[in-house]
Amino acid sequence: EAEVAQSPRYKITEKSQAVAFWCDPISGHATLYWYRQILGQGPELLVQFQDESVVDDSQLPKDRFSAERLKGVDSTLKIQPAELGDSAMYLCASSFPGDGTYEQYFGPGTRLTVT
Amino acid sequence: AQSVTQPDIHITVSEGASLELRCNYSYGATPYLFWYVQSPGQGLQLLLKYFSGDTLVQGIKGFEAEFKRSQSSFNLRKPSVHWSDAAEYFCAVGGTTGTASKLTFGTGTRLQVTL
Repeated sequence: EAEVAQSPRYKITEKSQAVAFWCDPISGHATLYWYRQILGQGPELLVQFQDESVVDDSQLPKDRFSAERLKGVDSTLKIQPAELGDSAMYLCASSFPGDGTYEQYFGPGTRLTVT
Repeated sequence: AQSVTQPDIHITVSEGASLELRCNYSYGATPYLFWYVQSPGQGLQLLLKYFSGDTLVQGIKGFEAEFKRSQSSFNLRKPSVHWSDAAEYFCAVGGTTGTASKLTFGTGTRLQVTL
């Protein structure tokens, strides 16, 4: 069964350093989402792509966060510089808009710890 | 704006007992509703979803949920809980933005199962 791939699974970084996460959605899924999940809370949407275009980045802290999906397939989320409050699980999801189910398929996530 | 409330932060049930997890939503039109489960350190797995039609929805692992428009609720139920059901459960409401869905999650309910 096709899955959403994410790497790394765990990342420890010092504050003020740069960090990047990678996501490879299910093949053929045009929509890709990045979520942030703080411990004890539900996932919060950071950015949504339709192919290579950003559909929604209203909750993305653009002073330090950036996201790209250059060829409309895999995607990278970057944080520079990282802050202590960025410690969280970063989840990637993808969906196929044309199937009518609006179901999002989630990857295993990247657990970020900022020290 | 769409929102989800999960009033129970933590629930403990005995193995074999029945389970009901509560979810209330706010959405301006007919919502798309989802229940996801998350094991520690893992991504989210879809249990079931409601778009239209029969208000009682069957999902995986023996779970079901009932959509009640008059109460703005979408409660998750299972007749007999297994120890492996211990996890975090998230209710989500979706709205379409173009051809893709935008999910808003609740804060989750942590289920503990005692033997």
